[in-house]
Amino acid sequence: QSVLTQPPSASGTPGQRVTISCSGSSSNIGSNTVNWYQQLPGTAPKLLIYSNNQRPSGVPDRFSGSKSGTSASLAISGLQSEDEADYYCAAWDDSVYVFGTGTKVTVL
Amino acid sequence: EVQLVESGGGLVQPGGSLRLSCAASGFTFSSYWMSWVRQAPGKGLEWVANIKQDGSEKYYVDSVKGRFTISRDNAKNSLYLQMNSLRAEDTAVYYCARWLVPPIDAFDIWGQGTMVTVSS
Repeated sequence: QSVLTQPPSASGTPGQRVTISCSGSSSNIGSNTVNWYQQLPGTAPKLLIYSNNQRPSGVPDRFSGSKSGTSASLAISGLQSEDEADYYCAAWDDSVYVFGTGTKVTVL
Repeated sequence: EVQLVESGGGLVQPGGSLRLSCAASGFTFSSYWMSWVRQAPGKGLEWVANIKQDGSEKYYVDSVKGRFTISRDNAKNSLYLQMNSLRAEDTAVYYCARWLVPPIDAFDIWGQGTMVTVSS
């Protein structure tokens, strides 16, 4: 059972802004940086955000991350059809790397 | 092109063993921590194990300690996962991933995954 809690689903129409939350505790998000991974249907995960709010080269600036206390969030602005995927937050918790429960984003 | 390619998955009976391999190319394999991450069918991601560049440090999730062993051969640019005493709950797609140390502290490159099914 994951120690990082995300809503199971989120949705929006093209062009809308969607936000996904990730709730943790002092031993994970509260004391370590947060990463976000995107998993398109039938593919391997891809690093989307690292160090709370940094985008790897090639990730559109429509994706942004933030962290406050023991929670983090991922925002997708200008939602596009190709953003339909599963999104996972992740952080270290002592010596264990934990992933969030995952959020399926649907583009209506 | 930076690439990770897993192999070795398949169907195995409960209590059996399997060895997964991950072939790395396009980067200096010996300079990076490497990891295994798994995903049960229809479920989320679970980190399994990490190994340091020279193999001197290894870390495991509690559920596989004593049963799984992560190893690497830098001369062959390869990562391995020896899985013993397999259980039905080990059924998953197993991904190898490259881990970037802090300040990035994230998995930046992933393989396509190899499926392991534990069933009688």
